[in-house]
Amino acid sequence: SQQGEEDPQALSIQEGENATMNCSYKTSINNLQWYRQNSGRGLVHLILIRSNEREKHSGRLRVTLDTSKKSSSLLITASRAADTASYFCATASYTGANSKLTFGKGITLSVRP
Amino acid sequence: GAVVSQHPSRVICKSGTSVKIECRSLDFQATTMFWYRQFPKQSLMLMATSNEGSKATYEQGVEKDKFLINHASLTLSTLTVTSAHPEDSSFYICSARTAGNGELFFGEGSRLTVL
Repeated sequence: SQQGEEDPQALSIQEGENATMNCSYKTSINNLQWYRQNSGRGLVHLILIRSNEREKHSGRLRVTLDTSKKSSSLLITASRAADTASYFCATASYTGANSKLTFGKGITLSVRP
Repeated sequence: GAVVSQHPSRVICKSGTSVKIECRSLDFQATTMFWYRQFPKQSLMLMATSNEGSKATYEQGVEKDKFLINHASLTLSTLTVTSAHPEDSSFYICSARTAGNGELFFGEGSRLTVL
């Protein structure tokens, strides 16, 4: 079953602008991860934020996590045309010896040159 | 980062035939591999979790006799879609992880088209 729900489902911005994508989830998590997928390709891991963290940065990416609201946001600053892709949040919950990732529906980001 | 290779990247087959998709971890030992299915413009749906040397654990609603998973070695897992039908057409993605709860690495996906 789906866990993360991203919004908006589609976002179109101009190059240089910031892109903010949100994700909400329903159950307890150990960590939340954001992935990127170019059309017809596999997934690339962008950033992981643990349940006891509130904010994390990686280059032009900034992720926040609010466990009280069960939500996360991904901010891409100074966007580039090459950032055009689908972005997914995924929540990780430990089940026994393994953790399982559950993906949201994804956000399609288009960055216009 | 670590590399996970999927093969074939695209496959077209006739209805009723079986198709095997391979997932290999090229530079690390993957104790756990996951198989996902993705419909166009949709999310990834976890199909099954496979641990090396043991039977795969399938998610609810996934037919284990339809989607055979074998994780015979620490670097290879295979997904066989048996007696494929057009509704099995989809993008199948594997991911692999080392022992414990390390980072997941994804393959490039395999697009299956059943005619």
